[in-house]
Amino acid sequence: LAKTTQPISMDSYEGQEVNITCSHNNIATNDYITWYQQFPSQGPRFIIQGYKTKVTNEVASLFIPADRKSSTLSLPRVSLSDTAVYYCLVGDKGGYSSASKIIFGSGTRLSIRP
Amino acid sequence: KAGVTQTPRYLIKTRGQQVTLSCSPISGHRSVSWYQQTPGQGLQFLFEYFSETQRNKGNFPGRFSGRQFSNSRSEMNVSTLELGDSALYLCASSLGRRGANTEAFFGQGTRLTVV
Repeated sequence: LAKTTQPISMDSYEGQEVNITCSHNNIATNDYITWYQQFPSQGPRFIIQGYKTKVTNEVASLFIPADRKSSTLSLPRVSLSDTAVYYCLVGDKGGYSSASKIIFGSGTRLSIRP
Repeated sequence: KAGVTQTPRYLIKTRGQQVTLSCSPISGHRSVSWYQQTPGQGLQFLFEYFSETQRNKGNFPGRFSGRQFSNSRSEMNVSTLELGDSALYLCASSLGRRGANTEAFFGQGTRLTVV
């Protein structure tokens, strides 16, 4: 499984757009990129998953350049409740499960201020 | 649709004891994975079960074991507890079918404290 590198922490303010970038230089052809969000003492929650270009859902967008060696999670107009740890994961969607032997990195601790 | 249910939520055990944690996956999900989360090591994969069979295993000692029942419910057992086993134990469920939507849903975890 490809290793990922993310910033350890980020700070932003309510109403701002936050972009968290993840590096995955050794991503394989079959690998998808998945982001999870985790609040203290809770399990991670799926945010978004993509393979290439751009994916958007109701909570976030995921931008993946053509070489797929990095990806950027974009959170529009963040609020205090977006304060959490965000994990970028890379794995084979053709595999059994995105929870199958996932390697979680250290994640990015995002702090949102009023 | 009920989410992933883990019981108990909190547990305090003494060194040397053993403990069993339970996970009920989302209805229809056949894959259950277990993770240990500690401040120092982060989230670490323990093992995954699918159709009552262990399909993947992380790098943990044999004191950590698990099983899955025919209704997909899973239990993990830790024997001869050590202080370092204090952690949040998380269970994740997914459909488990190759190529299907592979989103994993996590439970709220069991906070185990070993004293």
